[in-house]
Amino acid sequence: EAQVTQNPRYLITVTGKKLTVTCSQNMNHEYMSWYRQDPGLGLRQIYYSMNVEVTDKGDVPEGYKVSRKEKRNFPLILESPSPNQTSLYFCASSLSGWPPWSTEAFFGQGTRLTVV
Amino acid sequence: ELKVEQNPLFLSMQEGKNYTIYCNYSTTSDRLYWYRQDPGKSLESLFVLLSNGAVKQEGRLMASLDTKARLSTLHITAAVHDLSATYFCAVDRYSGGSNYKLTFGKGTLLTVNP
Repeated sequence: EAQVTQNPRYLITVTGKKLTVTCSQNMNHEYMSWYRQDPGLGLRQIYYSMNVEVTDKGDVPEGYKVSRKEKRNFPLILESPSPNQTSLYFCASSLSGWPPWSTEAFFGQGTRLTVV
Repeated sequence: ELKVEQNPLFLSMQEGKNYTIYCNYSTTSDRLYWYRQDPGKSLESLFVLLSNGAVKQEGRLMASLDTKARLSTLHITAAVHDLSATYFCAVDRYSGGSNYKLTFGKGTLLTVNP
């Protein structure tokens, strides 16, 4: 089954304790991205990756890191989490952005992170 | 910077009625997507609109794209309770090579009442 898998689904942590949220896709997609969803703000892109070893900042990259060492995995790293990073996080993947191909994104189930 | 605006942000409607959600965007783009999100769930792709004049229909939902007006609509026909969800539109900003960025609207929370 084609899917994007995030782990963990729920996480409560303390300020400053490093954490990693994993994301893996089995569709051989080139493009992967991370979003955070906050009430009233919709989805905002944190980082994206166009292929292995190619990453770039989205709209709200501060406080986050990513890596793309393999095509299927795109972990999100919070080196020193703070309460303002409490949010619902989604990983997504899609085919390459070359037009006219669709860049329809497939989303993981989400990770609800609480930083206290 | 690409801005995507949806309206209305909140929509309460009765079963059996028709309504339209609008999605305006600020810069040229040829690809627009509609997603549905149920409470506490992930986003599910509804429609992919890839060219001017594209129209897609699935059940009681129909989406269209006018790239000249930078406008997409999601029309709901004879609403039923199962359509209650948040609907997002998202637009590509293509910047050459394989670089593009997907920008989402804030979403429309649709509640269909009996």
